[in-house]
Amino acid sequence: DAKTTQPNSMESNEEEPVHLPCNHSTISGTDYIHWYRQLPSQGPEYVIHGLTSNVNNRMASLAIAEDRKSSTLILHRATLRDAAVYYCIRGGRYNQGGKLIFGQGTELSVKP
Amino acid sequence: NAGVMQNPRHLVRRRGQEARLRCSPMKGHSHVYWYRQLPEEGLKFMVYLQKENIIDESGMPKERFSAEFPKEGPSILRIQQVVRGDSAAYFCASSPLEQHTGELFFGEGSRLTVL
Repeated sequence: DAKTTQPNSMESNEEEPVHLPCNHSTISGTDYIHWYRQLPSQGPEYVIHGLTSNVNNRMASLAIAEDRKSSTLILHRATLRDAAVYYCIRGGRYNQGGKLIFGQGTELSVKP
Repeated sequence: NAGVMQNPRHLVRRRGQEARLRCSPMKGHSHVYWYRQLPEEGLKFMVYLQKENIIDESGMPKERFSAEFPKEGPSILRIQQVVRGDSAAYFCASSPLEQHTGELFFGEGSRLTVL
């Protein structure tokens, strides 16, 4: 049980920002929020993760709601290479033994 | 620093044969995870290992599947007497720490086809 809810698919235009939502209403205080993506025929790739504060890295930003029941992955300027399935995962030492459980994810398509 | 290496990348087996999939974690990583992805489906956790120990095998099928991560050498996922339903992509991931605290590095996967 992934215990996160994401839209099945989203579309974006190239060079526009993309906001990928995720609901995790039953998240515990020790669970991190992780985002991974999987390009076609490739292994999953780490994107970003956070606990309470918003996080930024070279790939994306992660905005975490104050109550931590939802989060949003932000791609600031989508490129064609960003077309992938994006997985939002909650994981923690005291939840599922520290392993990450992948759900169905959001399939992002990017139009030129 | 080489990434997670999996081999073979593609493996074809006939029903009843054995499949051995190997995973070399990134240098310095002592935590290894195996996931399976059936066609058109999501990633399913199979097993979590540290050197010489199986930490969590809750996702492993009860029969025919086994995994090891010896003190020396790669981690091995072994599937005995393969059946067509075993056809899938098998991904290995490694981390220096328990994965909930940081980044997990995945390999490119081993794609098993059972004829």
